[in-house]
Amino acid sequence: AQSVTQLGSHVSVSEGALVLLRCNYSSSVPPYLFWYVQYPNQGLQLLLKYTSAATLVKGINGFEAEFKKSETSFHLTKPSAHMSDAAEYFCVVMDSNYQLIWGAGTKLIIKP
Amino acid sequence: DAGITQSPRYKITETGRQVTLMCHQTWSHSYMFWYRQDLGHGLRLIYYSAAADITDKGEVPDGYVVSRSKTENFPLTLESATRSQTSVYFCASSEEGGQPQHFGDGTRLSIL
Repeated sequence: AQSVTQLGSHVSVSEGALVLLRCNYSSSVPPYLFWYVQYPNQGLQLLLKYTSAATLVKGINGFEAEFKKSETSFHLTKPSAHMSDAAEYFCVVMDSNYQLIWGAGTKLIIKP
Repeated sequence: DAGITQSPRYKITETGRQVTLMCHQTWSHSYMFWYRQDLGHGLRLIYYSAAADITDKGEVPDGYVVSRSKTENFPLTLESATRSQTSVYFCASSEEGGQPQHFGDGTRLSIL
């Protein structure tokens, strides 16, 4: 069965610094990978989606993620953090039955 | 407006009572989903539906009942609420099985 591991329940970066949120999936290659973002007291919004068309996926708000099969990783990055990026980020795998398997989430904290 | 709406946004009830959470989408999406979100667990799938009159269990279905008589509605019922069902519940929909899911704003349910 698919599983997703997000490294670090909390990540703190300074405003303007690089954002790196780590995600590893289980060994079998999933058909789809996603990153979702949840702002405080809100629902979940799709940030980006990997569908095997390209290993580097660009999403909204300047985020991107790179699929690395050899490392079973799908890390999320943003070159320069903004205060408005403070939120919780979820790495998600879609299995062969189209069900979503969610990571536990990483809270991104932006320091002024 | 088009989208997915959940009601109520907040609900407090007592153990043993029946509670129904409503979900309505205006996109005519085939798939609909119910998740619960608890600290440290990310989102966990309760039930999903691939079409009207077709429902299936997810990861944590015990204590919940769903129905889907119309494509646009997917209510979730807790037949006899327990404290362990205190959580935030999210409804989602997707056009097809492999497409990203769109989420409602959630229902915060507290069971005393």
